Amino acid sequence: GQQVMQIPQYQHVQEGEDFTTYCNSSTTLSNIQWYKQRPGGHPVFLIQLVKSGEVKKQKRLTFQFGEAKKNSSLHITATQTTDVGTYFCAGLSGGADGLTFGKGTHLIIQP
Amino acid sequence: DAGVIQSPRHEVTEMGQEVTLRCKPISGHNSLFWYRQTMMRGLELLIYFNNNVPIDDSGMPEDRFSAKMPNASFSTLKIQPSEPRDSAVYFCASTVASAYEQYFGPGTRLTVT
Repeated sequence: GQQVMQIPQYQHVQEGEDFTTYCNSSTTLSNIQWYKQRPGGHPVFLIQLVKSGEVKKQKRLTFQFGEAKKNSSLHITATQTTDVGTYFCAGLSGGADGLTFGKGTHLIIQP
Repeated sequence: DAGVIQSPRHEVTEMGQEVTLRCKPISGHNSLFWYRQTMMRGLELLIYFNNNVPIDDSGMPEDRFSAKMPNASFSTLKIQPSEPRDSAVYFCASTVASAYEQYFGPGTRLTVT
């Protein structure tokens, strides 16, 4: 079945530093979604990418979808304490399958 | 809109007991998903429904797990009998259609002793 790998599993940064998490799929995706889960909370949708090579920005967050539609990344510029949480990518390969989530990257920020 | 509603929020039960988790999706959403989250395995899709019909239940771990969606506004996930390894947070999510953004409920934290 489809697998979505996400790295790193944990990332410690100083407040103000940049952060990037990477997502790789074993199959070509029709779209990829990103979610954020705060500690003790539930996943919250951030964005969806559909087109090959697509880049989208939300303030300090930049999302990219690879040309082959098998990988994606999320980059946060100048992290703030409010960015703490786990960031998940989730891929949709089409057909009847639902989303396949990566294991997530836990972002820990030291003030 | 109240969002996706799940109950109970916390459940503590003894091994062998039946557990029923409940979910009310957002009105107008046609797809509903059940997930299980643990530290070891992350977020796993258990089953999803389109228009109340189960589409993919390949993630259901074994016959002890069953899910129903009798109407568009209610779904249940049942574990019978429960085992300690079932301890996890169970999320329900809904969406307009399976390819769109999912809205997660607050989750049910299940502890089986």
